This record gives sequence, structure tokens and C-alpha cells, in this order.
Amino acid sequence: EPEVTQTPSHQVTQMGQEVILRCVPISNHLYFYWYRQILGQKVEFLVSFYNNEISEKSEIFDDQFSVERPDGSNFTLKIRSTKLEDSAMYFCASSKATGYNEQFFGPGTRLTVL
Amino acid sequence: SQQGEEDPQALSIQEGENATMNCSYKTSINNLQWYRQNSGRGLVHLILIRSNEREKHSGRLRVTLDTSKKSSSLLITASRAADTASYFCATFRVQGAQKLVFGQGTRLTINP
Repeated sequence: EPEVTQTPSHQVTQMGQEVILRCVPISNHLYFYWYRQILGQKVEFLVSFYNNEISEKSEIFDDQFSVERPDGSNFTLKIRSTKLEDSAMYFCASSKATGYNEQFFGPGTRLTVL
Repeated sequence: SQQGEEDPQALSIQEGENATMNCSYKTSINNLQWYRQNSGRGLVHLILIRSNEREKHSGRLRVTLDTSKKSSSLLITASRAADTASYFCATFRVQGAQKLVFGQGTRLTINP
């Protein structure tokens, strides 16, 4: 069964460093998302992406964040200068059509900022 | 306002019993989805129920939706130890942002 994959599973970085989190969505899906979950808190929406552009972003998704689909399979989230409060589990998700359908999530990347 | 609030926050039952978790929300929705998360792991999609549906089944799962009360319930019948996980409801609004809004989750523990 097709699934969303994410790499790395765990990333440790120093404050101020840039990180890139990678995702491979399900191949015939058209809509892509990033969510994050700070330990013990709710899963929060960051950004949605369709047709090679951002369709929606939350207030969390400031200028330090960017997303890209560099080729036909990968979907990346870049944090330019990490802060301690960026430590969280980051989930990539994809859906076949609009979000009015099931969103399938990857296993997540645990980001730890020291 | 909070969207997708589950209760109880934690539920502990014996294996074989049924587990019921509830979710309330505040705005009009297009659909409501339930997810499971094992400790520190990813989110597994369980079931989606649309606003024009009242009940849906999938294996041992039964989901109901009451749009007049803006609430949903997830019933797991004949629970197993492997059902131990956190369960989240997530709503997709009728209009506005194309995103899922998650609740805080219910931590379910099945005791053998």
C-alpha cells in the first residue's frame, strides 16, 4: 500500500542552523501539507501546497519557513535559522484531491534544536 | 475558539471492553476525520465522515456525527492491547483554509 515517507526520522541541530526536512508524498496525490506537533500539544497546520505554490499557510509559517517541490517526487520544508521553539515532530501529509478527502500522514521527523 | 476538542483526555479500560471517545467542534464542517497515533509515531488515518453522513463503520470502528450538536464519537468495540494509542479528531471546515484542525486527543490505554 502506498505511503508517505519522511527523512530523516530524527534531526538534531544547533540553534541558528538551517534544516531541510524531506518528504515523498504518495505518487498520485496532488495536495501536500506540513503539520507540526510540539511534545504534548496538538497537531498544528503549517502550510498547504498545490500546483507548485503555497495555497494556505498558518501564522506559524513565517519568513523562516519555506517549502519546495524540487522534482516530481520530493516535498521539502526548510527552516532557515532554527530556534529552540522549533523543536517538534514535523509531519508531511498528502491527499489525492483537495483536503476534502483523506489526508495521509508520514511517520514524522523529530526535530530537536539545541 | 478551539476546534476539535476530544473527551475524555484519557481513558483506561480492560481488553475486550468497548471504548468511546467524543469530539466536539465549533464551526460548520465539510468532514471530520479520526486519526490514531502510537506513542511518538506518525498519524494513521482511521475514518472520514462527511457532514451529510450520520454514521460510518470500518471493522471494529464506528463513528457517528451529529452536526446539530457539532459532535462526533468514535467507538472501538472489543478492544485489544494493540489499540493503545492516542486518538485525534480533525475537522475540515466548509469554507476557509484548506487544512485539518486537530483536537488535543484522547489517550486510550487497554489493560490486558
